[in-house]
Amino acid sequence: DSGVTQTPKHLITATGQRVTLRCSPRSGDLSVYWYQQSLDQGLQFLIQYYNGEERAKGNILERFSAQQFPDLHSELNLSSLELGDSALYFCASSVGRGGSGNTIYFGEGSWLTVV
Amino acid sequence: QKEVEQDPGPLSVPEGAIVSLNCTYSNSAFQYFMWYRQYSRKGPELLMYTYSSGNKEDGRFTAQVDKSSKYISLFIRDSQPSDSATYLCAMFSDRGSTLGRLYFGRGTQLTVWP
Repeated sequence: DSGVTQTPKHLITATGQRVTLRCSPRSGDLSVYWYQQSLDQGLQFLIQYYNGEERAKGNILERFSAQQFPDLHSELNLSSLELGDSALYFCASSVGRGGSGNTIYFGEGSWLTVV
Repeated sequence: QKEVEQDPGPLSVPEGAIVSLNCTYSNSAFQYFMWYRQYSRKGPELLMYTYSSGNKEDGRFTAQVDKSSKYISLFIRDSQPSDSATYLCAMFSDRGSTLGRLYFGRGTQLTVWP
């Protein structure tokens, strides 16, 4: 158990809908990362927050947004869902913003199926 | 060209074999290298963490980094069926605009049969 908690574990929804994925980082970790994993693309970095502020942005679509709250939990909002958004969404956390010694731990993922 | 290249396999070996997993990368700024193990539909689990060139050993696992060739390897000795998983290499730079961002390989699927 990495200590990173994600909910829900599984989610099935229809195209055009909106969903919210939730993540609680490990105790003491200030950074939260979101990754998308699909069969054809592997693990893709979406976005990082550090202590409530956006730190880095990767291949995140405009239909997706995220935030980190004062209690450091984070939410990833996915809207106008398309079939191609079906994937495993991972949250990860670390103590620091990045750099040496910054070990990143992953949660178990939220499996999203868009039908 | 992708930042990190990794042969997806699949790789199938008998129990007790030595397994060699490899990644190449293009960004010479990468300094920190990791190997994650991922069981089916589970979160990646950190196995090895190394800095710059050299070797690091932890039990049956040895990680090697050759920065001059931009090539990293993970060796698994005395492989066990429980080692069957997907192995992902990852790396990052400690400087510049990509500070701390992890770049992953696609993962190599390994099966160790009894």
